[in-house]
Amino acid sequence: AQSVTQLDSQVPVFEEAPVELRCNYSSSVSVYLFWYVQYPNQGLQLLLKYLSGSTLVKGINGFEAEFNKSQTSFHLRKPSVHISDTAEYFCAVKGYSTLTFGKGTMLLVSP
Amino acid sequence: NAGVTQTPKFQVLKTGQSMTLQCAQDMNHNSMYWYRQDPGMGLRLIYYSASEGTTDKGEVPNGYNVSRLNKREFSLRLESAAPSQTSVYFCASSEGVQETQYFGPGTRLLVL
Repeated sequence: AQSVTQLDSQVPVFEEAPVELRCNYSSSVSVYLFWYVQYPNQGLQLLLKYLSGSTLVKGINGFEAEFNKSQTSFHLRKPSVHISDTAEYFCAVKGYSTLTFGKGTMLLVSP
Repeated sequence: NAGVTQTPKFQVLKTGQSMTLQCAQDMNHNSMYWYRQDPGMGLRLIYYSASEGTTDKGEVPNGYNVSRLNKREFSLRLESAAPSQTSVYFCASSEGVQETQYFGPGTRLLVL
C-alpha cells in the first residue's frame, strides 16, 4: 500500500517570497512521484515528476522539487512566487499500482 | 488536439435518478481513470481501465459502474444517485498505468 501526506492544508505567502510545499510518502516499493496544480474551476495539470535519476527535478512555471529517499519526501519549492501561482497543489505517488493523491495544499499568494 | 474532454460540465440530480458521465480522449492513450474530488479529501480513484476491454475498481467504487466503450471513451454511470455522490468528477488518461496522467476539466455534480 502507498500513501501521501501533505503537511499543510493552506500556505499563505506574499508575492515575490519563496515558498515550500511539503509532501511525505510511504510505499513498500520503488515509487514515481508527481506534483499537480489545480487552478480555480479547472482540472489538474502536471507541474513536474520524478521517475529516476537526478533527485532535483525542475518543472513548469519555475517550480522544482527534490526527492529525498531517506526522508521519504518530495517537497515542492519556488524561489519567488507570483499572484498567478495561487492554486491548489497536489502531491501524488505511484508504486506498481495506480496514483495515490495527497489531500492538497492551497497556496494563497497576496500582494 | 482537445486532450481529455468531459460532458456534461454541470449536472443537478434528484436522489434516485441515474445519469452517465462521458469522457473521451484523443491522445491514443491505453489507460483511463475516473476520480472524484471532495473538499479536504484530494482525489480518490473510483474505477480505472488499464487497457481497452478491462476495468478495475479503485478506492471508492460503490454506487458507480463504468464502461470502456472503445479506446477513446470511458463512461461513469450512477444508477441511483445519492447526496453523498455530490462531488466534482475528473476523468484522466495515460499511455499506460505507469505513465503520466492527463486530466479533463471536470464535471460538477449536485445530488439533492
